[in-house]
Amino acid sequence: ETGVTQSPTHLIKTRGQQVTLRCSSQSGHNTVSWYQQALGQGPQFIFQYYREEENGRGNFPPRFSGLQFPNYSSELNVNALELDDSALYLCASTSWGGETQYFGPGTRLLVL
Amino acid sequence: AQKVTQAQTEISVVEKEDVTLDCVYETRDTTYYLFWYKQPPSGELVFLIRRNSFDEQNEISGRYSWNFQKSTSSFNFTITASQVVDSAVYFCALRMNTGFQKLVFGTGTRLLVSP
Repeated sequence: ETGVTQSPTHLIKTRGQQVTLRCSSQSGHNTVSWYQQALGQGPQFIFQYYREEENGRGNFPPRFSGLQFPNYSSELNVNALELDDSALYLCASTSWGGETQYFGPGTRLLVL
Repeated sequence: AQKVTQAQTEISVVEKEDVTLDCVYETRDTTYYLFWYKQPPSGELVFLIRRNSFDEQNEISGRYSWNFQKSTSSFNFTITASQVVDSAVYFCALRMNTGFQKLVFGTGTRLLVSP
């Protein structure tokens, strides 16, 4: 069974740029969630995708957007990057109605 | 609103000591799930345990044990005979049983186990 994978592992961008992060869900899982974890903090829920649609969102501005593909993989896009967007971005997958989310290794984003 | 509080920012112990990590949660819902995750320096969150609100039985898994008490809204985690490999940040999380599957995390407790 393949676990959750994310790419890239690290990324450096400058303020104002755009970034795309990718996630492949664990086999058998059709629901993907994204979290942002700032240094020294707990992860914060960004949004969740199921059946290629966003079905739940945390307190993040519209410049955070996502996609889910027919194979259940997902992308997180962030436009107009700000310094405070520097964080570890975690992807988690589960089956719809499943009780436990399983996380990938994350993408560390640094915005200069 | 849901909230998880982990009051212990950092705990340092010597190998073989027992250590308890505290977690207090707030929710108005009657049905919910509680979780513990471990985050080693690599960054990946590793699932340790899930408890639903109807199951207050304590659980033991090897050196790990969990104490869930609804009366005090607590879900504490004990490591017996700690080892250096237990060094990590541990997060407690809460999820409602309705709607989308948003996890609400505490701020984490960093555990340092020295030889």
